[in-house]
Amino acid sequence: AQSVTQPDIHITVSEGASLELRCNYSYGATPYLFWYVQSPGQGLQLLLKYFSGDTLVQGIKGFEAEFKRSQSSFNLRKPSVHWSDAAEYFCAVGGSETSYDKVIFGPGTSLSVIP
Amino acid sequence: DAGVTQSPTHLIKTRGQHVTLRCSPISGHKSVSWYQQVLGQGPQFIFQYYEKEERGRGNFPDRFSARQFPNYSSELNVNALLLGDSALYLCASSLVRVPPGYTFGSGTRLTVV
Repeated sequence: AQSVTQPDIHITVSEGASLELRCNYSYGATPYLFWYVQSPGQGLQLLLKYFSGDTLVQGIKGFEAEFKRSQSSFNLRKPSVHWSDAAEYFCAVGGSETSYDKVIFGPGTSLSVIP
Repeated sequence: DAGVTQSPTHLIKTRGQHVTLRCSPISGHKSVSWYQQVLGQGPQFIFQYYEKEERGRGNFPDRFSARQFPNYSSELNVNALLLGDSALYLCASSLVRVPPGYTFGSGTRLTVV
């Protein structure tokens, strides 16, 4: 069965510091992988997605993620965090081209940024 | 271009009542999915509709139902509301059946009292 784990419930970083949010997934076939960000009371915004090809994916707002099949991981990174990055981050895994599989979300990591 | 729009944005219902939530996808998007997000948790998949047919269903009771209309808008219906149904209900649309990265609406905040 599909599943997503985000080991860190909450992370606090200083503004300007680097950031890495961890994501591990379980999926039998080649997964589609996503990172979303959610500000309080808002919907989810897609940061980046991986379908195939280059395992290092660039997204919006200066974020990137690296797909590592051997580790079943898709960690999100940003070299320098801004105060506006404080939000909830969700990793998600979706199905293959031949199915209508649903997109499964992880429990989320809450990011706080210290000025 | 308008994004995914959901209505209403907030509502309060009493236990046992029925509720209908509405979603208008981005123009041209044929796939609509519904998610329930309980406070402090990740979104949980409820339904996916594509070309007006149900294509996927999550682990939710039969009190939850949905449909998609010819213009690809969608309704989520919940009967016999329970306190535990209180959540943010998110609608997402995508162009094709493969999930290329949903675009989410801002959600409907349902409170059951």
